[in-house]
Formats: sequence, structure tokens, C-alpha cells
Amino acid sequence: GENVEQHPSTLSVQEGDSAVIKCTYSDSASNYFPWYKQELGKRPQLIIDIRSNVGEKKDQRIAVTLNKTAKHFSLHITETQPEDSAVYFCAWGGKSTFGDGTTLTVKP
Amino acid sequence: DTGVSQDPRHKITKRGQNVTFRCDPISEHNRLYWYRQTLGQGPEFLTYFQNEAQLEKSRLLSDRFSAERPKGSFSTLEIQRTEQGDSAMYLCASSSDREDVETQYFGPGTRLLVL
Repeated sequence: GENVEQHPSTLSVQEGDSAVIKCTYSDSASNYFPWYKQELGKRPQLIIDIRSNVGEKKDQRIAVTLNKTAKHFSLHITETQPEDSAVYFCAWGGKSTFGDGTTLTVKP
Repeated sequence: DTGVSQDPRHKITKRGQNVTFRCDPISEHNRLYWYRQTLGQGPEFLTYFQNEAQLEKSRLLSDRFSAERPKGSFSTLEIQRTEQGDSAMYLCASSSDREDVETQYFGPGTRLLVL
């Protein structure tokens, strides 16, 4: 069945460092892999997505890489800032299957 | 505000009562999704509509849950005979197949507490 595993569940970094979150999926049917940021008490917000016809996509300090052979995709945040602190979810597919989230804490 | 809206934002009810939530998608978005999110977990897919047609329901959607989208615009999610395990955030999202069909925009959610 559809499943996506997300690691790590918590991540603490110093301001200015990079953060990497990885997700592994089980089914090759989908070609769409979004990442969402959810701040406490707020709605999930799409921050970046990637489709299977590309291996990497970048938007300022955020990048996503996709390895279809290994069935994993990763979120990379560079030059982290305290306002990056939130829960990040990977998702898979059009009727999105979500990972369990990574709580990122950026310490000033 | 032209984003997805949900009403109410919070609902407290007693076990056994029925509750109904409403979602208004982004104007002209023809796809509408319902998710449930519990603390510390990612959103779990419940059901989705394309226009007024309910195309898929998750096995999470027990027979106490029913969703409608009668005119292909707003949608309602009803939970009958609520149980304490129904306490969660209920999220609605919408997308358009005339734009990017897979990019979903989420509403603020309805937080349900069943006592």
C-alpha cells in the first residue's frame, strides 16, 4: 500500500547551519512529491515540490532532491534562521500521503 | 481573503452528538480534499471530490462519517455519534485541474474536541 517514511522525527540545528530531512516512499505510481511547513496551530503550507522528470529543484535557501531509483526524496534548507523552526512534512502523490513530520528547531 | 476557509475553527462537543463542518475552497477549484490530523502526526487523507462527485474514500472514513459537495463548490463533513477518538484537526484542501492539479492549498482547519 501507499506509505512514506520520514526521518528524522526531530532535528535541532544552530542558526546558519544546514538541515536535511529525508523521506522514503514505497510505490512508484506517483510523480509528485511536495513538502509542507506547518507552524504551531496553523495550516500546512506548500514550500516546494518536485516532479519525477527532474532530480533537483531549488528555491532560494530551500532545495529538494529526488532519487526515483532508491525511492527517496530530501528537503535541504541552507543558512537556517529561527523562523525556519516548524514541523516539516513530506508528502507523496495527488491525494497526498504524508510523512509523520520532522520538528525542526533552529537555535539562535 | 481568497484562500480556503473552514467553519467553525473550533468545536467542542459531547460524545454521541453529531457535528458538521464546512469548507469553502478557492474559487473555481474543482477538487476538494478532507484530511484528519492528530497531534504529532501528518494529515491523513479521508476523501476527495472532483466537482460534486466523491471519487475516493479512505478506509479511515467509517460509516459515521459522511461528506457532501452538492453543487461542486463548498463541502460539508458530518460526523455522527461522535467518539473521543474523533478528536482531531479536520483539514480541507483544494486544487484545480486547470492549473496544477496536484498542488493543494489547505484551509486553517477545524479543531474538534469530543468530551
